[in-house]
Amino acid sequence: GQQVMQIPQYQHVQEGEDFTTYCNSSTTLSNIQWYKQRPGGHPVFLIQLVKSGEVKKQKRLTFQFGEAKKNSSLHITATQTTDVGTYFCAGRNNQGGKLIFGQGTELSVKP
Amino acid sequence: KAGVTQTPRYLIKTRGQQVTLSCSPISGHRSVSWYQQTPGQGLQFLFEYFSETQRNKGNFPGRFSGRQFSNSRSEMNVSTLELGDSALYLCASNGLAGGGEQFFGPGTRLTVL
Repeated sequence: GQQVMQIPQYQHVQEGEDFTTYCNSSTTLSNIQWYKQRPGGHPVFLIQLVKSGEVKKQKRLTFQFGEAKKNSSLHITATQTTDVGTYFCAGRNNQGGKLIFGQGTELSVKP
Repeated sequence: KAGVTQTPRYLIKTRGQQVTLSCSPISGHRSVSWYQQTPGQGLQFLFEYFSETQRNKGNFPGRFSGRQFSNSRSEMNVSTLELGDSALYLCASNGLAGGGEQFFGPGTRLTVL
């Protein structure tokens, strides 16, 4: 069945350093979404990418969708303590298909 | 607009019992999905309902079931609870069938003793 792998599982950075998490799907995706879950909270939607090779930015966050629509990445520039949490990617292999989440990358930021 | 609500927020049960969890989606949303979140397995998809019909189903045993009512509220039921069912159960709604941003509720923390 469809699988979405996400690495790394954990990332510890010093405040101000950059951070990247990678997501790979075993099948071609129709779209990919990214979520952030703060400790003790629930996942909150960040963005959705649909087009092959798409790149979107939200302030210090840059999201990419691979040309083959099988991988994606989230890059945070100059991390801040407010970036702490677990970042999940989630993909559908076709419109209307179930949304499959990656295992998440837990980011901790040392001030 | 009120967010997704889930009840109860916390639940303690013993092995062999059954449990029913409830989810009220955002007003106007007709799609509700359920996920199980555990530290080791991440977010695992359980099922998705749209307009009272189950659209998608994850790879969980038949002890896990769900339904959706005409007002879009959804319930999930777990029968014959096992220790491994201890998890955070998250409900998410969105306004589209099979697409779009998922709005998550706060979850129900189930502990099976």
